[in-house]
Amino acid sequence: EAGVVQSPRYKIIEKKQPVAFWCNPISGHNTLYWYRQNLGQGPELLIRYENEEAVDDSQLPKDRFSAERLKGVDSTLKIQPAELGDSAVYLCASSLGQGNAQYFGPGTRLLVL
Amino acid sequence: QKEVEQDPGPLSVPEGAIVSLNCTYSNSAFQYFMWYRQYSRKGPELLMYTYSSGNKEDGRFTAQVDKSSKYISLFIRDSQPSDSATYLCAMRREDTGRRALTFGSGTRLQVQP
Repeated sequence: EAGVVQSPRYKIIEKKQPVAFWCNPISGHNTLYWYRQNLGQGPELLIRYENEEAVDDSQLPKDRFSAERLKGVDSTLKIQPAELGDSAVYLCASSLGQGNAQYFGPGTRLLVL
Repeated sequence: QKEVEQDPGPLSVPEGAIVSLNCTYSNSAFQYFMWYRQYSRKGPELLMYTYSSGNKEDGRFTAQVDKSSKYISLFIRDSQPSDSATYLCAMRREDTGRRALTFGSGTRLQVQP
């Protein structure tokens, strides 16, 4: 069974530029999560989807971050404009239902110069 | 003060040693407890998933939860150089609709051959 797929794996951009990350969850997993992991820290949730509905986005900086999961499968996270402090690893995870174990993708490592 | 505290290490042990990794937490609402292993430049990989207090064993790994002390542990028997990674504890509460995981900052383990 294929795991969570993310792309790109690495991205280097200049500040004020836009950037987008893509995630395809494990087949059949209806719950999808975006986390951000800063260096030396554990991941922190940005947004959680149940199918196509965003049900927990309280930690998403909505002035510059947006996300979508239009057909309830894959998802895109966007930052516009990026700031230096956005440099981090952006992790996507999925689970079979909201109460079950979460499985993570490899992450997208973002560096904002 | 963080909700979940974890010693960052690094913890260096010889091959074959028994490793003990620990986390403490402050919120008694946490009911689900997990341990993830994260290799450098990879996403977190789920190792153990437990509910409430007690022990769970899987091969060389044993997870313990002591809710009265708000303390969880992961033991690794017969440690191998391939166990060298960062180990993240994570936990989730059940009393609200929020299904996000709260992570510790991770303990870096080095197993010396």
